[in-house]
Amino acid sequence: DTAVSQTPKYLVTQMGNDKSIKCEQNLGHDTMYWYKQDSKKFLKIMFSYNNKELIINETVPNRFSPKSPDKAHLNLHINSLELGDSAVYFCASSQERGLAPYNEQFFGPGTRLTVL
Amino acid sequence: KNEVEQSPQNLTAQEGEFITINCSYSVGISALHWLQQHPGGGIVSLFMLSSGKKKHGRLIATINIQEKHSSLHITASHPRDSAVYICAVTYTGNQFYFGTGTSLTVIP
Repeated sequence: DTAVSQTPKYLVTQMGNDKSIKCEQNLGHDTMYWYKQDSKKFLKIMFSYNNKELIINETVPNRFSPKSPDKAHLNLHINSLELGDSAVYFCASSQERGLAPYNEQFFGPGTRLTVL
Repeated sequence: KNEVEQSPQNLTAQEGEFITINCSYSVGISALHWLQQHPGGGIVSLFMLSSGKKKHGRLIATINIQEKHSSLHITASHPRDSAVYICAVTYTGNQFYFGTGTSLTVIP
């Protein structure tokens, strides 16, 4: 069984379009994340959701909006896509243990977004 | 903000060699993670450390909190170990802050 799944795996679209990437985890975790991996393979946190509440937003443009219908899903909506949005987007999840963030994170397979 | 630096950026080794990848960070952390990104792109968590040393098979991870430094060792390296190894830290929250990664190629 897949622990963290993302759809689609590949997404090719035109500049200016609006698109969504879906993420689901079946681990019962209460925290989910979106990361962006740029062309130089550098990973950076975008969002973190804990129990359906946004707990971090690392200065990501407001064209990006995470939506969490329940704690097993964290979808990423992107409006007015730009060339610079081309990257691989990874979803991840973890279980917070009280105040100690000693959490192992489980990653989805990634979604390669190409904006033309 | 915490900076995470890894070295080397690229590493080529012969099969069987002992490999060390280093990670340094600039401020106090709550945990350090080693991740492996396969050539196909998938990311797997290898270790999570807050002190001392952990071992899993041929992989060993150590951390020195005072020196703000961690190492990942691979003993008896094999071509299937070829991947990008990424160091990540967490401090006040659960989010990861990543190093730039070390691309390892093990040649048969």
